[in-house]
Parts: sequence; C-alpha cells; structure tokens
Amino acid sequence: SYVLTQPPSVSVAPGKTARITCGGNNVGSKSVHWYQQKPGQAPVLVIYYDSDRPSGIPERFSGSNSGNTATLTISRVEAGDEADYYCQVWDSDPDHYVFGAGTKVTVL
Amino acid sequence: EVQLVESGGGLIQPGGSLRLSCAVSGFTVSSKFMNWVRQAPGKGLQWVSVIHNGGSAYYADSVKGRFTISRDNSKNTLYLQMHSLRAEDTAIYYCAREYTSGEFDYWGQGTLVSVSS
Repeated sequence: SYVLTQPPSVSVAPGKTARITCGGNNVGSKSVHWYQQKPGQAPVLVIYYDSDRPSGIPERFSGSNSGNTATLTISRVEAGDEADYYCQVWDSDPDHYVFGAGTKVTVL
Repeated sequence: EVQLVESGGGLIQPGGSLRLSCAVSGFTVSSKFMNWVRQAPGKGLQWVSVIHNGGSAYYADSVKGRFTISRDNSKNTLYLQMHSLRAEDTAIYYCAREYTSGEFDYWGQGTLVSVSS
C-alpha cells in the first residue's frame, strides 16, 4: 500500500520559515492535504489540494507538490504554530486514505 | 454551523463489541462521504473506514471483517460497529467529513475506546 514519509520533527525560530516535507512515490500525481493537530484537539485542515487554504487559515500557510515530495511551508512562524502536522492522500487501489506519520513542529 | 459529535466510547474487554455514534448537524450525513479516523495514544492518525453518499463502504485492512460503518439518515448520524476488539484498537476515534475529494474539512472532538482486561 501507499506510504507517505515525513520527518519526525522540525524546529524553527519565531519569525522564520518552517518547511515540512511529505515524500511518496510520484506523490506529485496525487492531491495532498495537510492537517494541524495541537495537543488534546482534533486535527484541523490547513491545506487541501496541494496548495489551497480553507477559510480562516492564515496566508502564512502554503503548500506545494511535485515529483516525489509535497511540502507544507509555514512563513513567519509564531508560537501558536507549534503542533503536529500530518500529510494525507487518497489512494484508489483499493479505495483508502493514507496519512503520513506526522511531524512535530517546535518553535524555539 | 457544521458540527460532528462522537459518543459511545469506553473501556471494553478484548473480544468485546462497541458501537460508536457521530451525530451530525449543519448538513445531511447522506450527502457527503463520511469517515472514521483513529489515533492510538501518542501515535499518528490512521484512517479506519469511509461510507460514500451512495452507500458503498471501505475499510482499512486492520479492521476489515471486524468493523462496520453505517448511517441513519433519519437521525443524521454516522455509526461504527466494532466487533472482536483487540488491544491495538485502543485509540481516540474521530468522525470526519470528506468535503469533495479526499480532504477532511470537519472533524468531531473524538471518543476514546480502551480495550483492556
């Protein structure tokens, strides 16, 4: 079955840029979605269809997807961005959904 | 306002059964693909099951044959019937709405299932 690979952790200073990668075989041919999950809370969709932002998500969150790597970029990182981030795709054979293992973003 | 509220979790012995519910408001449960996603303590997200608006259902290999997803349109509620529960099924179970094509735009707050003797 399809596998998505994320780094376990990313550390970033406030005001800097965090980049979280999500690797998968030809993931560029799929639509990648990203979720933010803070401790004790349900996940929140922050990027869908590779690079679209739901209403209410700051413009500091952006996404890209090409080749074997999708990337979630958080610009001008704030303390409130500290959370776990998961990438996710839908796979058709068979019909199922795959999450990456998650990346813990720490704001220094 | 869209809301998803799970219930039905609890402590259950291995081999037991449990039914989770997800009460939906703000949209019709039969109009969208609806999913169950779980998260074991300290672990990542794992997709469990989906029911399409047409009624087709699909499952993760780890729960196939033991779990059944369904919905009651009159109650606007999604269900997950779980049988032959194992310790490794211990997790917070979330219901989630699929907006158009694979993205989960609304999630419930989750309900905890603990399988232990």
